[in-house]
Amino acid sequence: GQNIDQPTEMTATEGAIVQINCTYQTSGFNGLFWYQQHAGEAPTFLSYNVLDGLEEKGRFSSFLSRSKGYSYLLLKELQMKDSASYLCAALDSNYQLIWGAGTKLIIKP
Amino acid sequence: IAGITQAPTSQILAAGRRMTLRCTQDMRHNAMYWYRQDLGLGLRLIHYSNTAGTTGKGEVPDGYSVSRANTDDFPLTLASAVPSQTSVYFCASSASGGNNEQFFGPGTRLTVL
Repeated sequence: GQNIDQPTEMTATEGAIVQINCTYQTSGFNGLFWYQQHAGEAPTFLSYNVLDGLEEKGRFSSFLSRSKGYSYLLLKELQMKDSASYLCAALDSNYQLIWGAGTKLIIKP
Repeated sequence: IAGITQAPTSQILAAGRRMTLRCTQDMRHNAMYWYRQDLGLGLRLIHYSNTAGTTGKGEVPDGYSVSRANTDDFPLTLASAVPSQTSVYFCASSASGGNNEQFFGPGTRLTVL
């Protein structure tokens, strides 16, 4: 079956760095997405990786290892507004997104 | 520019009633999607449409139907609502299917009693 695993909840301190991990098992693979979702709001796109390696976008970076079925989202210089859920989603062989349950990130001052 | 809109914002519905959730986008995206989001679970795809005039079933299509008469609109209908359909429903669109970013509407919170 197809499966996405990510931690349910993480806590970090304002100004620090946090890494949110995601492992995936899909029938075929066409890339890995990260979305941010604030409570009560819609998900918004953060990143897309299809090749191995690190993609940096401001304070946020995303890494992919296709051979390990693994990705992480790295958030630097954490701000209170980064408190949100972070959703990992893998694109399968039918180009449909398989979503993880999300990681709720709590930022403490 | 509205992007993608959904209506209603929230609804309480008696079991057995018919309900249509509306979704409209103004980005001229070819692909549209309906998801449900339940606590502790990931987004689950109900139905999708890769282009106007075509639709497909997602992971959890039972009890739901969709139509795609034009590019902009993608309504989701619950023919006879049941309490297990209580959820937050998100509509999304993308330029085409596949590896394009999906843009989400604000969601509809549906409670079936």
